[in-house]
Amino acid sequence: GAGVSQSPRYKVTKRGQDVALRCDPISGHVSLYWYRQALGQGPEFLTYFNYEAQQDKSGLPNDRFSAERPEGSISTLTIQRTEQRDSAMYRCASSLEGLAGTDTQYFGPGTRLTVL
Amino acid sequence: DAKTTQPNSMESNEEEPVHLPCNHSTISGTDYIHWYRQLPSQGPEYVIHGLTSNVNNRMASLAIAEDRKSSTLILHRATLRDAAVYYCILRNTGGFKTIFGAGTRLFVKA
Repeated sequence: GAGVSQSPRYKVTKRGQDVALRCDPISGHVSLYWYRQALGQGPEFLTYFNYEAQQDKSGLPNDRFSAERPEGSISTLTIQRTEQRDSAMYRCASSLEGLAGTDTQYFGPGTRLTVL
Repeated sequence: DAKTTQPNSMESNEEEPVHLPCNHSTISGTDYIHWYRQLPSQGPEYVIHGLTSNVNNRMASLAIAEDRKSSTLILHRATLRDAAVYYCILRNTGGFKTIFGAGTRLFVKA
């Protein structure tokens, strides 16, 4: 079956512009995670959704970052007034059940964001 | 959040077993031990997880110390396709925040 998909795969933007990154989880998956990954480092947790409820947003770096999942399926991560330090790979993951501690996360291919 | 410590890198010969260690001395009773790996230019993929007992699946085995302060991921016969960064992660049943760390980069020699 289809895995997690993300779009766009690559995004180049100018400093100060807003960007919206989309994640399409595996159909029927309850949980959705967003991560940011800098080159040579492990993924950094940003936020977590259980269905449409954003249950943990403790990893969002500042108020320029926001995420939503209005119908409990597709999710959008929005970065306002982008800065060069926002350049990174943004990854989305989904899991079938909302079982804290034990769920298996399936990762998408990521969106490579470059802020000029 | 409970942290894990892993060697930065390890090297193995093809078709030999590989033991990837992980220390988690501050682990709590409700922390599960997960391993993910990330192949070059791909997203992380799940390998295995456990709580107290050793676990086996088609990809690997997970050996957990009796005091749970360390664990070892075992790849029984390394192949070139196993070259990746391996992450040892503690995930608590009280929440969903997942801390990856830097992982161990495994090099496999032919």
